[in-house]
Amino acid sequence: QVHLVESGGGVVQPGRSLRLSCAASGFTFSSYGMHWVRQAPGKGLEWVAVISYDGSNKDHADSVKGRFTISRDNSKNTLFLQMNSLRAEDTAVYYCAKDFAYFNSAILDAWGKGTTVTVSS
Amino acid sequence: QSVLTQPPSVSAAPGQKVTISCSGSSSNVGNNYVSWYQHLPGTAPKLLIYDNYKRPSGIPDRFSGSKSGTSATLGITGLQTGDEADYYCGTWDSSLSALVFGGGTKLTVL
Repeated sequence: QVHLVESGGGVVQPGRSLRLSCAASGFTFSSYGMHWVRQAPGKGLEWVAVISYDGSNKDHADSVKGRFTISRDNSKNTLFLQMNSLRAEDTAVYYCAKDFAYFNSAILDAWGKGTTVTVSS
Repeated sequence: QSVLTQPPSVSAAPGQKVTISCSGSSSNVGNNYVSWYQHLPGTAPKLLIYDNYKRPSGIPDRFSGSKSGTSATLGITGLQTGDEADYYCGTWDSSLSALVFGGGTKLTVL
């Protein structure tokens, strides 16, 4: 059974950095693409980034490009999201999600329960 | 403002049927496969439908999906109180080079 557990969220001041982690189990992590998706308070889902099975291909939403970086460590079955220059509008619950395929099929077939990031002074 | 348009809310009585629409354009729904997700606040979202109409294992056939042109539809029959949740459509947008979601539809089972 696929299990995804996010961690690393918290309260951070604008302009500071935070790194989120997602521990994966129950499937061959190194064979699948992975995503980060966020949900701001009272808002819908917003895609953040995707990374291929081997980390060689990445794509980020325009809203975070140049500030956030997705990465992975297949030896530790862990996905990361490095978030720099954080803004108030980055406040959200951040979910990691498994892709149906090796990179980006745009089908997210398993999700974690999320970790909350609050950007506030 | 979401790229994909969904009604903010729908409601129906237990046992009845409801449909949720997802309207887009040729750069997203019109030329890419659509998925549907169920999300209860505080929990992990769940994939209900992919490739417009396919159901992952474990998803009951009360849930169905269809697509025509630039619109997709999620159908739920035999409504149960446990179906109360937010439902989102999602697909790839070839112009934006981004995965896009609808704004979400809150289902109330009266």
